[in-house]
Amino acid sequence: QQQVKQSPQSLIVQKGGISIINCAYENTAFDYFPWYQQFPGKGPALLIAIRPDVSEKKEGRFTISFNKSAKQFSLHIMDSQPGDSATYFCAASDNAGNMLTFGGGTRLMVKP
Amino acid sequence: DSGVTQTPKHLITATGQRVTLRCSPRSGDLSVYWYQQSLDQGLQFLIQYYNGEERAKGNILERFSAQQFPDLHSELNLSSLELGDSALYFCASSPEAGVPGELFFGEGSRLTVL
Repeated sequence: QQQVKQSPQSLIVQKGGISIINCAYENTAFDYFPWYQQFPGKGPALLIAIRPDVSEKKEGRFTISFNKSAKQFSLHIMDSQPGDSATYFCAASDNAGNMLTFGGGTRLMVKP
Repeated sequence: DSGVTQTPKHLITATGQRVTLRCSPRSGDLSVYWYQQSLDQGLQFLIQYYNGEERAKGNILERFSAQQFPDLHSELNLSSLELGDSALYFCASSPEAGVPGELFFGEGSRLTVL
């Protein structure tokens, strides 16, 4: 059972555009929502994370929006750059943040 | 470089065989996690060890087993391999008092079962 659903599976954005990736979860016990970025041939690396008591968190060009009532959260990448081309995973955890359930991933391509 | 080392990077074997994947966590990290990444299943949590003890278990098949040794390195043993076991296997570690949800992943071991 996939507890975190992620969409879209792939995304193509022009340089300078906004990339939006959405996730929905089912388990109301989840209390920590990180996003991971994975480049080809590398392992995933933490990008940004949010707790449900906050509706939005911004770090540079990356913003997480969180809607607790809808059990949804999303990643926005502003001014997308070719170097942002990677696979992005949303995740959720329910026990102090260390056992993560990942979404299916979104392969982002930013065209120059 | 995350500091997590996985060997081997690539492994090709036949159905029915047994392989062992090895992981060295970041210095000082007590927790080790194993994840399986396949094209159609994303990142699936297999198992977590903390300071030598099993802490959490995910969708790990009975044909698979893992352990964490006193020096904190971990091994994932995959036996009676099937074609469907072909995947990237990631090891990750986390510190005792780090950022919640921040796992440090190795670069993975790519297993191909022919």
